[in-house]
Formats: sequence, structure tokens, C-alpha cells
Amino acid sequence: DQQVKQNSPSLSVQEGRISILNCDYTNSMFDYFLWYKKYPAEGPTFLISISSIKDKNEDGRFTVFLNKSAKHLSLHIVPSQPGDSAVYFCAASPGTYKYIFGTGTRLKVLA
Amino acid sequence: EAGVAQSPRYKIIEKRQSVAFWCNPISGHATLYWYQQILGQGPKLLIQFQNNGVVDDSQLPKDRFSAERLKGVDSTLKIQPAKLEDSAVYLCASSSTGEVNTEAFFGQGTRLTVV
Repeated sequence: DQQVKQNSPSLSVQEGRISILNCDYTNSMFDYFLWYKKYPAEGPTFLISISSIKDKNEDGRFTVFLNKSAKHLSLHIVPSQPGDSAVYFCAASPGTYKYIFGTGTRLKVLA
Repeated sequence: EAGVAQSPRYKIIEKRQSVAFWCNPISGHATLYWYQQILGQGPKLLIQFQNNGVVDDSQLPKDRFSAERLKGVDSTLKIQPAKLEDSAVYLCASSSTGEVNTEAFFGQGTRLTVV
């Protein structure tokens, strides 16, 4: 039972353009969401988070949008840079300090 | 600040053998997690410790997996006996409080191959 889904396994974007990574969830009890970035041979690193009381959170080039009615969140990267090429995981929590991760989206930013 | 340390980085064993992984979390972090990441999937939580007590081990295959956290600091994860489907990257993470709005810091992981 995949409660957190990232339906696009890969995405390619030109440098300088916007990257949009999507994540859908099924459990309406999830109330905190995070995005992690993972480079090869490294552990995931925290990128940005959002609480269910918000619909947007911004940190520099990274913005996360949450649509609770659609059970959907997205990560926008503007402008995309080659160093952003990595696997991006979204994760969700029902407030019990336990995170459920999606399967990841591999982003490739083309120079 | 030193990050989460894990060893070994890589391990190849035959099925039915045993293996152990070690994790040293960030100093002062009360919460420690072990995740299993199978190729093509996201990390799956195996066990979570708060200090040296287990908070959640609902997805730990207890017939073959065991974990302990010594004195609330280092942790070891053991598999005995290993199966082919245990081939995965085992990630250790820690967070300062374990509260839902605190990020977890991950180690580089141990890549296990069972042949």
C-alpha cells in the first residue's frame, strides 16, 4: 500500500528553467511534509518542509506547494541549476514523528 | 558538526550468513532511525529509537533483524540469517528530538548485497 506516490520516476529540465516535482498522498491524516534530495552514494539531505496549516513554503530557489483537498504537493525549483541534478524524495508524516517516503523522482538539469 | 557516521559502506555476503551495521548519530541527537532502501523504492523505516528505547519497530522483520542502541548513542542493526531480498541500502538517520517538525540527518548508508 503506497501511501506516498511520486508517479514520475524521472524528469529532465533545461538549466535556468523551472523544475516541478510532484507528489500525491492518500492518507488524510498526514499533516507534515518534507522534501529530501539525494546524490549518488550519499544519504538523503533535507531540503524543505511544509505543515498542513500552510499551502506554500519558500526557501530561496525552492518552493513547496500543498493542496490538501487534492492530497497533492509539489516542489518548484526556479531557476534550475545543473547541481540540482539528484533524486528527490517527498515524505509525509501523520504527526507521529514517523515519515513515509515516496519512491523518488530523478531530476536531470541539462546545461 | 560531524554528521551521521555509518560503517561499513559496502558489504557482500552469501544468503544465510549474518551481517551487522553500525551507526554513530550526531552528538546529542536523541532520536535514531534505521531505514531500508531497496533499489527503485523510497526509504522504509525499520526501527526508531528515542534515546535507548524503541519507539517504533512495526516494520522490522523480527525473525531475522535485530537492532540495539547502546547507552542511547551508537546503534547496530543485525541481520541473521540474510536473504536475497535483504539486498538494499541501509540508512541510519538521527534527529535532535524526534518531533515531527525537526529534520532527520542521514548517513551515507551501507549497501548490502546478498548473493
